[in-house]
Amino acid sequence: DTGVSQDPRHKITKRGQNVTFRCDPISEHNRLYWYRQTLGQGPEFLTYFQNEAQLEKSRLLSDRFSAERPKGSFSTLEIQRTEQGDSAMYLCAVRGTKGEKLFFGSGTQLSVL
Amino acid sequence: AQSVTQLDSQVPVFEEAPVELRCNYSSSVSVYLFWYVQYPNQGLQLLLKYLSGSTLVKGINGFEAEFNKSQTSFHLRKPSVHISDTAEYFCAVSEINAGKSTFGDGTTLTVKP
Repeated sequence: DTGVSQDPRHKITKRGQNVTFRCDPISEHNRLYWYRQTLGQGPEFLTYFQNEAQLEKSRLLSDRFSAERPKGSFSTLEIQRTEQGDSAMYLCAVRGTKGEKLFFGSGTQLSVL
Repeated sequence: AQSVTQLDSQVPVFEEAPVELRCNYSSSVSVYLFWYVQYPNQGLQLLLKYLSGSTLVKGINGFEAEFNKSQTSFHLRKPSVHISDTAEYFCAVSEINAGKSTFGDGTTLTVKP
């Protein structure tokens, strides 16, 4: 149990459709992160939140991507007008109470057909 | 800005042999260093971390790593590997008091009988 729940585990969608993923940390964590991982590569940073404030977004993140953390607990990541290049594993992570290591969820595997 | 280079994309090794997975990093400021492991069909989990103090750090499952500031390296070692160590290993760096962690592209360790 990583302490971070992600839903859904798998998502298959057609190109051009919108998708939304959810991340639920089991306990309170100030910092929440979204990463994307493709085959053969390490996790790539997308964005992170300090409580409900979105503090940083990757320059690689297009305008089709948006993330929210309205109450400083769970977070959602939405991709609009999906493209085949969006196919990847989307990982959510929280930073531990001592501020060092990341606890990862199991991820949402997105396949865009 | 920070970056991580994992020098070997794949490392095949026989059971009970020693192994070293190499990691070099680049950063203009002081950093925390991490190794994460991802077993097949599982999420990322922390193997070990260097925050400060002794440059030799020990992690779970008999792994250890040595921080070398002059060579900006953080190589992972295990004196005798098991079949169960077969996994993807990721080196990561995080600037102290900064938000995100930056990951390398991973090293696939395959332990053969």
